[in-house]
Amino acid sequence: DQQVKQNSPSLSVQEGRISILNCDYTNSMFDYFLWYKKYPAEGPTFLISISSIKDKNEDGRFTVFLNKSAKHLSLHIVPSQPGDSAVYFCAARTHPPNDYKLSFGAGTTVTVRA
Amino acid sequence: DVKVTQSSRYLVKRTGEKVFLECVQDMDHENMFWYRQDPGLGLRLIYFSYDVKMKEKGDIPEGYSVSREKKERFSLILESASTNQTSMYLCASSSLRKTSGPYEQYFGPGTRLTVT
Repeated sequence: DQQVKQNSPSLSVQEGRISILNCDYTNSMFDYFLWYKKYPAEGPTFLISISSIKDKNEDGRFTVFLNKSAKHLSLHIVPSQPGDSAVYFCAARTHPPNDYKLSFGAGTTVTVRA
Repeated sequence: DVKVTQSSRYLVKRTGEKVFLECVQDMDHENMFWYRQDPGLGLRLIYFSYDVKMKEKGDIPEGYSVSREKKERFSLILESASTNQTSMYLCASSSLRKTSGPYEQYFGPGTRLTVT
């Protein structure tokens, strides 16, 4: 049973507008959340993360919001650019001793239209 | 920069063949992982290793085995390939050292395996 869920398989957005990607989780032991970006024929690359003690983390055009009570996080990309077209995976890490493992969502494919 | 390399980008094998997928990382990471990526299912962990000669099963280990004889190298073995093992295989590594960040994993480019 997937503990990290990305319920939107795809998202299409106009260049310059905001992209909002959502992720829900079920395991209350998750204490760190990460977003990865993946281009075709390449491995995923780390994008941004957030600790469970925070509710927001910002890095340039990327902001991740965490709502622990709702077990929900979102990734905002503002403004969206054509190079942002990729698959985005949400991932979560649990407390030790299993903290070396990440649980991944199914991914959301983002297409940025010119 | 962390570099994770995988021996092949594309591989075509026949049903019943033994298949070896090799992964090498150059950052002295303790942990190494093998995932498979399938549409609609995301990344699923097959096996991981936290030290030389140490391994643990992930979520979908059936039909796979692994080998880690050296710290930098982690091999995934399909003893008898089947068509349902056609997939993208991704290797990753991470460090145990807390100073290196939130345990993010660094991925190789992937091997697209087709079993016919």
